[in-house]
Amino acid sequence: QKEVEQNSGPLSVPEGAIASLNCTYSDRGSQSFFWYRQYSGKSPELIMFIYSNGDKEDGRFTAQLNKASQYVSLLIRDSQPSDSATYLCAVNSAGGSYIPTFGRGTSLIVHP
Amino acid sequence: NAGVMQNPRHLVRRRGQEARLRCSPMKGHSHVYWYRQLPEEGLKFMVYLQKENIIDESGMPKERFSAEFPKEGPSILRIQQVVRGDSAAYFCASSLQRDPNTGELFFGEGSRLTVL
Repeated sequence: QKEVEQNSGPLSVPEGAIASLNCTYSDRGSQSFFWYRQYSGKSPELIMFIYSNGDKEDGRFTAQLNKASQYVSLLIRDSQPSDSATYLCAVNSAGGSYIPTFGRGTSLIVHP
Repeated sequence: NAGVMQNPRHLVRRRGQEARLRCSPMKGHSHVYWYRQLPEEGLKFMVYLQKENIIDESGMPKERFSAEFPKEGPSILRIQQVVRGDSAAYFCASSLQRDPNTGELFFGEGSRLTVL
């Protein structure tokens, strides 16, 4: 069974700090990896995707992928209170229908 | 360009009744996914459909649940004889492509089902 694991948190960081969110996955055949943000009572929205080992940067967000260790992380620099949300890691595996498997999400709280 | 539209946003049913949740994907999208989210839990895959076809329903309970995506009209998730354990938020998502590297999912606002 394909699993995606995340620490549920909450992760609490002060405004301006770097927030580091981690995700591990069980299927070595996984090809692509997504980070979604979900505000309370709202729908998930895509922040970033990554499919090559290494780092991918987009503004204040950096996704890091290490396929050998089967983990993917999301760094948020200069965290703002508006970043407070649940961050969902999603993984697409090779073969089959490429249906994203989601982790339980990590709750992030950025306090002023 | 309207996003993914789900209705109703909130639905209350008594045990034993039927619930019908509707989802209209983004314009031009032909792939529809249904996920269920329980409080404090992640999104659990239920079913993946394309127009007139169920591609993968491995996450959907064998009994009481069914889904369709007709040639015309929205995708429908139907839950018969609801039980309290069916209370959850049901999210629909659509995508343009099946390419796993670029197939971003666009989510609707969800339908929140409460079973009394």
